[in-house]
Amino acid sequence: KQEVTQIPAALSVPEGENLVLNCSFTDSAIYNLQWFRQDPGKGLTSLLLIQSSQREQTSGRLNASLDKSSGRSTLYIAASQPGDSATYLCAVPRGAQKLVFGQGTRLTINP
Amino acid sequence: DVKVTQSSRYLVKRTGEKVFLECVQDMDHENMFWYRQDPGLGLRLIYFSYDVKMKEKGDIPEGYSVSREKKERFSLILESASTNQTSMYLCASSFRTEVTEAFFGQGTRLTVV
Repeated sequence: KQEVTQIPAALSVPEGENLVLNCSFTDSAIYNLQWFRQDPGKGLTSLLLIQSSQREQTSGRLNASLDKSSGRSTLYIAASQPGDSATYLCAVPRGAQKLVFGQGTRLTINP
Repeated sequence: DVKVTQSSRYLVKRTGEKVFLECVQDMDHENMFWYRQDPGLGLRLIYFSYDVKMKEKGDIPEGYSVSREKKERFSLILESASTNQTSMYLCASSFRTEVTEAFFGQGTRLTVV
């Protein structure tokens, strides 16, 4: 059974810092891994999708890496801004694109 | 841009009512999903559909049913709403293959009183 874990559950950093969010999964036979952002009371916004054949994917100040063999992914946020404050979730497919989610990391960027 | 639209942002219903949550996507996706999200429990899959009129139970289908009469629309039905169904409901869609992105709607916050 696939399980996804995100550590830490919450993170607070000053504006401008670079930071890393972690995601680990128990079954390395995944097709892809997706990172999402969720603002309070809102839906999920897709940030990055990494295919199993890729090691990295970049979008603006975001960089996601994937190491299937170790069951880990990281989301790197450069030069953090207060607008980056949100909950970040990672998810992997469990057959037919049904997603298994981590519990999320609640990120606060302090001005 | 892919758009997944849920019919309501907020709903308040009474115990015992029949409740319909509607979701529409505009990307011709085969797969559509309904999740609920609760503090401490994360996102849990209720039902999903991989084609018109096709459905499959997720992890927590009890008390819910679904309908997919058209490819772009997926409805979640609470047959007799109960207070323990108070939650955030999220709809998602994707192409059928394993290697594509899933896209989510804005969520419906349902309160059952």
